[in-house]
Amino acid sequence: DAGITQSPRHKVTETGTPVTLRCHQTENHRYMYWYRQDPGHGLRLIHYSYGVKDTDKGEVSDGYSVSRSKTEDFLLTLESATSSQTSVYFCAIQTGGTGELFFGEGSRLTVL
Amino acid sequence: GIQVEQSPPDLILQEGANSTLRCNFSDSVNNLQWFHQNPWGQLINLFYIPSGTKQNGRLSATTVATERYSLLYISSSQTTDSGVYFCAVGGTGTYKYIFGTGTRLKVLA
Repeated sequence: DAGITQSPRHKVTETGTPVTLRCHQTENHRYMYWYRQDPGHGLRLIHYSYGVKDTDKGEVSDGYSVSRSKTEDFLLTLESATSSQTSVYFCAIQTGGTGELFFGEGSRLTVL
Repeated sequence: GIQVEQSPPDLILQEGANSTLRCNFSDSVNNLQWFHQNPWGQLINLFYIPSGTKQNGRLSATTVATERYSLLYISSSQTTDSGVYFCAVGGTGTYKYIFGTGTRLKVLA
């Protein structure tokens, strides 16, 4: 257990509304990631963070923003949700030793 | 960026059979992991294996970094092995992990 908690675990929202997903870790890992999972695409990297206030884009960053104001929390925001952002979102941390990834339980988002 | 291809995309086995899953990648990597996503959606770490061979019970993995592939072996498969197996790689000089599209395994009782 890498001490990763995602919230909310399930959310249904309407097109055009803002949505924030939270990833919380308890072990002070420097690197944190947001992925989305869609049928036929596997997991695709949205954004990642390599420290407080240090973030960078992944493969599918359009329509998403992130923030990391403290080590333990990495927030993913959809400023104006669209139906194409209906997906399962996974947060991950990377351990400082081996560089191994560990995932949270996932957050299922449905945009109507 | 690095491309990751997994094969086969789908696999159906009878309980007790053995299988080999393959992951090909297009460039040098610093990190490589195998994950199992169970039917409940959880991503479970199987192996961290940027090179060499590891074994854990009925599962083993081999990565030949110079030839840019990794293999996951499942022996004496059980119904609980069902799910999707993902390979993920991290390239040299980057902390980004790129995932393959997975192999969906179904083990029949």
